[in-house]
Amino acid sequence: DAMVIQNPRYQVTQFGKPVTLSCSQTLNHNVMYWYQQKSSQAPKLLFHYYDKDFNNEADTPDNFQSRRPNTSFCFLDIRSPGLGDAAMYLCATSRDGTGGTEAFFGQGTRLTVV
Amino acid sequence: GEDVEQSLFLSVREGDSSVINCTYTDSSSTYLYWYKQEPGAGLQLLTYIFSNMDMKQDQRLTVLLNKKDKHLSLRIADTQTGDSAIYFCAERKSYNTDKLIFGTGTRLQVFP
Repeated sequence: DAMVIQNPRYQVTQFGKPVTLSCSQTLNHNVMYWYQQKSSQAPKLLFHYYDKDFNNEADTPDNFQSRRPNTSFCFLDIRSPGLGDAAMYLCATSRDGTGGTEAFFGQGTRLTVV
Repeated sequence: GEDVEQSLFLSVREGDSSVINCTYTDSSSTYLYWYKQEPGAGLQLLTYIFSNMDMKQDQRLTVLLNKKDKHLSLRIADTQTGDSAIYFCAERKSYNTDKLIFGTGTRLQVFP
């Protein structure tokens, strides 16, 4: 059974039109992450939540926001998608964020901007 | 910088061993990981090694760590067609335990 679920798997949005990607987890993990993976590149961390504490990466554009209303759900909001935001967006969770615990990844949402 | 480097492609014959290499940047990294990504899918953790270890073996997988050279390798014994995927190494920085720095990924192709 899937433990980290991302919806939708594929999302097409118009240039400049806000879009929200969702992630849910059944693991009751404290930490949830959002990574951006552009074609043929390494996944890059955008931000993460440790419980309710939001941690933004220094180079994450302001266009990207996140919400975590409860333990199970986390959302990625792109306020004004540009063509350069087309990518695979990966959600991941880990129990407590320490080095030895496994990060579980969802299947990803592939975002296309037209 | 934060670059974790891997060779882009590796092609092996079914039944042979595969060795995927990675060089990382931070000698103080605490954990190093290998992830597998199949087409259109998320990342699956294969194995990880703590920085005070030189080697870790898990069934067909052997991880070697050379801290002096900041070099990590993943050996897959008896490579199968189902092993065809992209393999990412990742390091966890010691000063920020929540962040993984991924390599560029190595595409492994297994042919019969």
